[in-house]
Amino acid sequence: ETGVTQTPRHLVMGMTNKKSLKCEQHLGHNAMYWYKQSAKKPLELMFVYSLEERVENNSVPSRFSPECPNSSHLFLHLHTLQPEDSALYLCASSQEAPTSSPLHFGNGTRLTVT
Amino acid sequence: GENVEQHPSTLSVQEGDSAVIKCTYSDSASNYFPWYKQELGKRPQLIIDIRSNVGEKKDQRIAVTLNKTAKHFSLHITETQPEDSAVYFCAGGGSGSARQLTFGSGTQLTVLP
Repeated sequence: ETGVTQTPRHLVMGMTNKKSLKCEQHLGHNAMYWYKQSAKKPLELMFVYSLEERVENNSVPSRFSPECPNSSHLFLHLHTLQPEDSALYLCASSQEAPTSSPLHFGNGTRLTVT
Repeated sequence: GENVEQHPSTLSVQEGDSAVIKCTYSDSASNYFPWYKQELGKRPQLIIDIRSNVGEKKDQRIAVTLNKTAKHFSLHITETQPEDSAVYFCAGGGSGSARQLTFGSGTQLTVLP
């Protein structure tokens, strides 16, 4: 099975709900990432953590709040989302950041905001 | 920051033919260029990568070429098979102002039996 595990696989939430996405990596990597994948668009980098410190935040709205309690776990807390936030959210890890080593992706969480 | 453009957006080839996907990048500081394959409903998976100190790399039916002067790199798949059908993404980055990877918009490759 994969070295990067994401839960849940699917999530439907209303605009006033609060939910969290979870990611866990078993590869001993030092960097973890959140990407957003929307139809017909490139993968969009949202957040980067290196050794549990956030090193990049790509102008992501504050309704998305990341948390990295240790180098193996990464969360994305969601609140008051908009319908346009519906997308596939992918977690990834790599040996280090900057990313000059391969990214390993999880299966993603398919998020639908109603 | 880095800007990566990928062409074509869709590509159909007959089984056994070759497929070529091209990407250009803007930041000369980029030094790492991976290619990912994403099958329908699955995660992106690395298929090959190249670093800026190398001009070409091969792995069985897959090859990548890099032209640093022109700032473009290409994926070549020979003897295509139906299982090669997927979306392919290029990416560039890894250094300096382009330290995080920037992805291209993807190419939907369809191999017709």
